[in-house]
Amino acid sequence: SQKIEQNSEALNIQEGKTATLTCNYTNYSPAYLQWYRQDPGRGPVFLLLIRENEKEKRKERLKVTFDTTLKQSLFHITASQPADSATYLCALEGGKLIFGQGTELSVKP
Amino acid sequence: NAGVTQTPKFRVLKTGQSMTLLCAQDMNHEYMYWYRQDPGMGLRLIHYSVGEGTTAKGEVPDGYNVSRLKKQNFLLGLESAAPSQTSVYFCASRPPTGGSYEQYFGPGTRLTVT
Repeated sequence: SQKIEQNSEALNIQEGKTATLTCNYTNYSPAYLQWYRQDPGRGPVFLLLIRENEKEKRKERLKVTFDTTLKQSLFHITASQPADSATYLCALEGGKLIFGQGTELSVKP
Repeated sequence: NAGVTQTPKFRVLKTGQSMTLLCAQDMNHEYMYWYRQDPGMGLRLIHYSVGEGTTAKGEVPDGYNVSRLKKQNFLLGLESAAPSQTSVYFCASRPPTGGSYEQYFGPGTRLTVT
């Protein structure tokens, strides 16, 4: 069956470091992959989209990679700040958008 | 623009009661979605609509019904609420294929069924 996995354990890092979040999937051939940010008590907010024929996408301090051979996407936040603390969701387009369970990121000053 | 709004924000129901959640968007989007979010489960698609007057089942449709009588509104109904439907419900919308694939989410409705 189709499955998306994100690190269920929270990621704790120091301010200024690079945060790397992982999204793995099985039994999918997604046309594209998206990353969303969700703050407590709020709806998800779109961050980035990367297509299957793109290896890497950047937006300011954010970078996403998409390896269709490994069936994995990595989401990087460089020079992280406490304001980056949130839950980050990956989502795959496989007919409809399918979401992972999210990884909570905590950036300590 | 208000974006996507949801009514109500919170609700407590007793088992067997019914209710309707309202989602409204002012972005003229064709596609609208209803998700539920439970701890450790991520967002799961309940029902969706690709245009006014059309609806389709998602991953977890049982116990829910929807209607899209107007393009800007998408209603989610619970006919006989069960404790298993305790969750946070999110509505989302997006333009049709060919435009941005980004989904715009509402602030959510926290529903508790006792």
